[in-house]
Amino acid sequence: DARVTQTPRHKVTEMGQEVTMRCQPILGHNTVFWYRQTMMQGLELLAYFRNRAPLDDSGMPKDRFSAEMPDATLATLKIQPSEPRDSAVYFCASGLSDRGPYTTSGNTIYFGEGSWLTVV
Amino acid sequence: GQQVMQIPQYQHVQEGEDFTTYCNSSTTLSNIQWYKQRPGGHPVFLIQLVKSGEVKKQKRLTFQFGEAKKNSSLHITATQTTDVGTYFCAEGGSNYKLTFGKGTLLTVNP
Repeated sequence: DARVTQTPRHKVTEMGQEVTMRCQPILGHNTVFWYRQTMMQGLELLAYFRNRAPLDDSGMPKDRFSAEMPDATLATLKIQPSEPRDSAVYFCASGLSDRGPYTTSGNTIYFGEGSWLTVV
Repeated sequence: GQQVMQIPQYQHVQEGEDFTTYCNSSTTLSNIQWYKQRPGGHPVFLIQLVKSGEVKKQKRLTFQFGEAKKNSSLHITATQTTDVGTYFCAEGGSNYKLTFGKGTLLTVNP
């Protein structure tokens, strides 16, 4: 049963520490998203990639967050230094976008189980 | 990106009652997707609507896309305790970007 795999599932860290979250998208999927979920803001899109190239990271605080795809089977989201306001659930999602860059029909995405981050 | 507004933010019903959540946009949407997230879980895709006026059904769930493609709704008939969760609409814009509404949290009293 294909699924998006995220690690770690839970992380408690101290303010100022570096946090790295990893995601293995579903094999064959070419689009990877990072979302952050909090009670106040809901699901916020932080960044997303297509064929490993970053398409949009405008939702991500650039001073402390970075997102990369070293290869097609791994996406990473790094926070350095972490702050208490970064406490949230971070979801990775993947999908297959195969209809060209300006499709009008959208594409289903599949979420991982999330990384629950607490910064104290 | 486009903003999709969802109402209500919360809805509590008695088991057996119907439930509806609405998704609205000030601009025309290219498509709408609906997701369900159980408490403590992750969003799970339910359906995608593309055409103006489209209506799709999944058992007790009915999804509609407005004629002007600026709104959508999800209606659940005769809710069950298994329907508990947050229902999100999401707009799939150009370049694969998927923007979510804030969701409607449904609780069901048995």
